[in-house]
Amino acid sequence: RKEVEQDPGPFNVPEGATVAFNCTYSNSASQSFFWYRQDCRKEPKLLMSVYSSGNEDGRFTAQLNRASQYISLLIRDSKLSDSATYLCTTLGYGQNFVFGPGTRLSVLP
Amino acid sequence: EPEVTQTPSHQVTQMGQEVILRCVPISNHLYFYWYRQILGQKVEFLVSFYNNEISEKSEIFDDQFSVERPDGSNFTLKIRSTKLEDSAMYFCASSELARVYEQYFGPGTRLTVT
Repeated sequence: RKEVEQDPGPFNVPEGATVAFNCTYSNSASQSFFWYRQDCRKEPKLLMSVYSSGNEDGRFTAQLNRASQYISLLIRDSKLSDSATYLCTTLGYGQNFVFGPGTRLSVLP
Repeated sequence: EPEVTQTPSHQVTQMGQEVILRCVPISNHLYFYWYRQILGQKVEFLVSFYNNEISEKSEIFDDQFSVERPDGSNFTLKIRSTKLEDSAMYFCASSELARVYEQYFGPGTRLTVT
């Protein structure tokens, strides 16, 4: 089983829509989870840290479900500028970050 | 806002040549990392570095790779004898001691091996 899995998308949504991505992980001992966004051919940028059950920052909400070993990212009132690839990451078995393949989001006018 | 910088932005080299990729981490950060991303694929961990030594390395980081902190600001990745499959974007990242898992990435160096 891959350590971190994500639906690659693409998710094509209209401006103003609410969209949610899921990410599943296999290391049940992992305590730290993060969402990064990556624009085309750019570096990943830290979006949110998820240390406990969840975290909210403006239009973005991240939730952690330890029992089912997944984290989710909810984007409300999506903007054109939200178009990017969203990477989920957590600690793998080697105690280093393992990134998921990313979920591509396109927000359409 | 402080940021990680990397040079060069693009490096083209011939197979078998040595390359050195350079990074200047954020000044108060103590943990440094290298990742690579082959075009169209996921970001992959290569190595982490703390207190002037390697903390962890992945299977990708074999004997042809090495890292160094030659002075107080630079952090380098050397690939001794490049192969075609080393072509990728190489990202440097750094994090501070109190928030070691919150890593900030540089803009990357695109390495093309011909």
